[in-house]
Amino acid sequence: EAAVTQSPRNKVAVTGGKVTLSCNQTNNHNNMYWYRQDTGHGLRLIHYSYGAGSTEKGDIPDGYKASRPSQENFSLILELATPSQTSVYFCASGDEGTSQNTLYFGAGTRLSVL
Amino acid sequence: GEQVEQRPPHLSVREGDSAVITCTYTDPNSYYFFWYKQEPGASLQLLMKVFSSTEINEGQGFTVLLNKKDKRLSLNLTAAHPGDSAAYFCAVSVTGGADRLTFGKGTQLIIQP
Repeated sequence: EAAVTQSPRNKVAVTGGKVTLSCNQTNNHNNMYWYRQDTGHGLRLIHYSYGAGSTEKGDIPDGYKASRPSQENFSLILELATPSQTSVYFCASGDEGTSQNTLYFGAGTRLSVL
Repeated sequence: GEQVEQRPPHLSVREGDSAVITCTYTDPNSYYFFWYKQEPGASLQLLMKVFSSTEINEGQGFTVLLNKKDKRLSLNLTAAHPGDSAAYFCAVSVTGGADRLTFGKGTQLIIQP
């Protein structure tokens, strides 16, 4: 069973603080993705990665950094959190071969920036 | 770039009734089409997928139809039951890779007893 694990599940941060969201996958998928989900916007791609050491900008990368230190782990970093980054964040993995383009999502992280 | 419009944003039907959710897309080269289901408080899980070459897929009480001429993708539920209450998202891609995957804004489906 494909597995994507996110931590923390819930996070409250202060404006200007640093926040790190972590994601681990045991699917051995090459590609990993970070999305945010907001009412009225659906899912929007923030950053993605093709493999260890790779990070690419998605559609809304401003204010976010990403890190892919290994095949299994992909982090999303908010260096200076702002209230507009309050959202639900989803990590996903998938690739053209193993998963036939299907995305496997983690359970999500609910982030509130006060 | 690709634009995907999903309708309706909210849908309420009675148990046993049918329901239809539709997505229209703009890129005629789109090939990969997905429907994801998100139950309350949970993550997204793949419900069904269809490729441009197949145009139809059925399973789990749902039928996915692709009309390439009209650039329209539909998710048809034939007989709703309470477990179908969820948010549904379509996703469209030319290449299949999620870096070029465009999601619809979602439909909140409520099944009334």
